Amino acid sequence: DQQVKQNSPSLSVQEGRISILNCDYTNSMFDYFLWYKKYPAEGPTFLISISSIKDKNEDGRFTVFLNKSAKHLSLHIVPSQPGDSAVYFCAATVMKTSYDKVIFGPGTSLSVIP
Amino acid sequence: DAGVIQSPRHEVTEMGQEVTLRCKPISGHDYLFWYRQTMMRGLELLIYFNNNVPIDDSGMPEDRFSAKMPNASFSTLKIQPSEPRDSAVYFCATAQYTEAFFGQGTRLTVV
Repeated sequence: DQQVKQNSPSLSVQEGRISILNCDYTNSMFDYFLWYKKYPAEGPTFLISISSIKDKNEDGRFTVFLNKSAKHLSLHIVPSQPGDSAVYFCAATVMKTSYDKVIFGPGTSLSVIP
Repeated sequence: DAGVIQSPRHEVTEMGQEVTLRCKPISGHDYLFWYRQTMMRGLELLIYFNNNVPIDDSGMPEDRFSAKMPNASFSTLKIQPSEPRDSAVYFCATAQYTEAFFGQGTRLTVV
């Protein structure tokens, strides 16, 4: 059973518009969430994260929203650019006193159309 | 630092052969992870190490898979014997605090 779900395998957005990537999780113990971006033939790279004590974290064009009661988070990209076309992985972990294993979702492939 | 370095980048092997994937972590990172990426299951954690010690190998699919970290600068993931269903991209990642840094991956094809 997947603990981290990304129900949209793919998403197409026009350049300049907002991209919204969704993620749901089932494990209520998760308290730290991350988004990674992956280009073809490259490894995933860290994009943005959020702790469960917050409901929003912003970094430039990227904002992550967390709804703990719904066990849902989303990544907003505004405005979307063609270079944002990649696979986006949502990930979650339990931050205790040390690093724990990070569980990844299956990914959403974003295409930003010029 | 050159980042996490994985070798080989591509590996094609025949079913039944032994395959060894290699990873050189970022210096100073205490954690090392091996992930497998497939279309169906996304990124699966296979095993991870902390200070060279295996912490959780519950993601290793079968006894055919084994991983070692003999020192802080090297880790291997071995599949013996390999099977076609092992075909995937295998990533090594290392971490010190929160986010992990991934290597470029090894694309394994077992024919």
